[in-house]
Amino acid sequence: AQSVTQLDSQVPVFEEAPVELRCNYSSSVSVYLFWYVQYPNQGLQLLLKYLSGSTLVKGINGFEAEFNKSQTSFHLRKPSVHISDTAEYFCAVSENTPLVFGKGTRLSVIA
Amino acid sequence: KAGVTQTPRYLIKTRGQQVTLSCSPISGHRSVSWYQQTPGQGLQFLFEYFSETQRNKGNFPGRFSGRQFSNSRSEMNVSTLELGDSALYLCASSLASGINTDTQYFGPGTRLTVL
Repeated sequence: AQSVTQLDSQVPVFEEAPVELRCNYSSSVSVYLFWYVQYPNQGLQLLLKYLSGSTLVKGINGFEAEFNKSQTSFHLRKPSVHISDTAEYFCAVSENTPLVFGKGTRLSVIA
Repeated sequence: KAGVTQTPRYLIKTRGQQVTLSCSPISGHRSVSWYQQTPGQGLQFLFEYFSETQRNKGNFPGRFSGRQFSNSRSEMNVSTLELGDSALYLCASSLASGINTDTQYFGPGTRLTVL
């Protein structure tokens, strides 16, 4: 069965510093990978997704993620964060099945 | 284009009652999925409907049910509420079924509190 592990439940980072949110998945077949962001009192918004092709995926708001099949990872990165990036971030996986989400990483950007 | 709307946004119920939540997808979207979000279990898939048919179902008891209407609007019902049903219920819509490849757009959720 597929599963997703987000290694950090909370990540504090100073404004304009780079950030990496880690995601590892387990799956026996080809997968599709997603990162979603949830701002307070809102639903989820898709940041980016990997379906196939280039392993480096660029998303909205300056985020990017790299699919690494050998490490079964899909880490999310941003070179310079803003206060407005403070939110909860969810990694999700699908094997042509409903999405399975990680527990989330709360990113707190400090001024 | 209007986004996914969910009503009501907040609900307070007592144990044993039943509740119905509503979701209106983005215009033109025919697939609607429901998720439960709790601090302990995180985001869990409940079910997906496409063209009024349930396509997928998560691992939830039969107290959780849903349906979809011909205009793609969907409702989910929880009967005999338990304290553990307190959660944020999220609805997501997409153009077609096959949620692994088609982008899902989420609504703001309905916050259900069971006392």
